[in-house]
Amino acid sequence: SAVISQKPSRDICQRGTSLTIQCQVDSQVTMMFWYRQQPGQSLTLIATANQGSEATYESGFVIDKFPISRPNLTFSTLTVSNMSPEDSSIYLCSVEGLGTSKDYEQYFGPGTRLTVT
Amino acid sequence: GENVEQHPSTLSVQEGDSAVIKCTYSDSASNYFPWYKQELGKRPQLIIDIRSNVGEKKDQRIAVTLNKTAKHFSLHITETQPEDSAVYFCAARGYGQNFVFGPGTRLSVLP
Repeated sequence: SAVISQKPSRDICQRGTSLTIQCQVDSQVTMMFWYRQQPGQSLTLIATANQGSEATYESGFVIDKFPISRPNLTFSTLTVSNMSPEDSSIYLCSVEGLGTSKDYEQYFGPGTRLTVT
Repeated sequence: GENVEQHPSTLSVQEGDSAVIKCTYSDSASNYFPWYKQELGKRPQLIIDIRSNVGEKKDQRIAVTLNKTAKHFSLHITETQPEDSAVYFCAARGYGQNFVFGPGTRLSVLP
C-alpha cells in the first residue's frame, strides 16, 4: 500500500515564528487536504491543497496564516505563520484517490505535533 | 452546512461484549459515511465505510448500519478486544463536499 509521510513529526517553536510542514506520498493522488486536531478534539479541515492553483480554505482559516503549496500530485506543504500558543496542535495531511482506493476514501499521514511556546 | 453529532463521548465495555457508537447528520444530501479509529499518538485509520445506497456493511467483527430516513448511522463492534480501545470518529460527506467529522468516542475495553 502507498506510504504517506510528514516532516517534521514534531517541533517546538517560539511564538512569532513560522513552521513549514511537508507531506509526501509515494504515488500520485487526486486530492490532498490539511487538517488540524487540537488536543483531545476532533479533526477540522483547514484547506484543500489544489495542484497548480491556490488552496481552497475552510471558514475560519486564511491564506496569510496557513499558506499551502502543492507543486505536483505527490507533495504538499502547509506553513503555520506568525505562530502563537493557540496554534499548538497536531497537523495532519490526508489524501484521496490513492492507487486503487475507491472514490471518497481518505487516508491520513502520521501527523506533525506542533508546540508553540 | 453539514453537522455531525456522535454519542456516546466515552464508552467502557468488558472484553467480549459488544460496543455501539451512533452518529447523526443534518444534510440529507450526504452520501458517504466513513469510520476512523485513532489510537493514542497515531494517525486516524479508516476501518469501515458505507454509502447511501447501502443499509448495512460488515467486515469481520465490525459493522456499520445506515438509516437515511432518520439520518443516522452506527458502528457496531462485536466480541471486543483490548486492542479495540481507541477514539473512534464518524464522518459524513456529500457529493462535491468535504468531510465533516463527529467529535469522537473514546472506547475502553476492559480485560
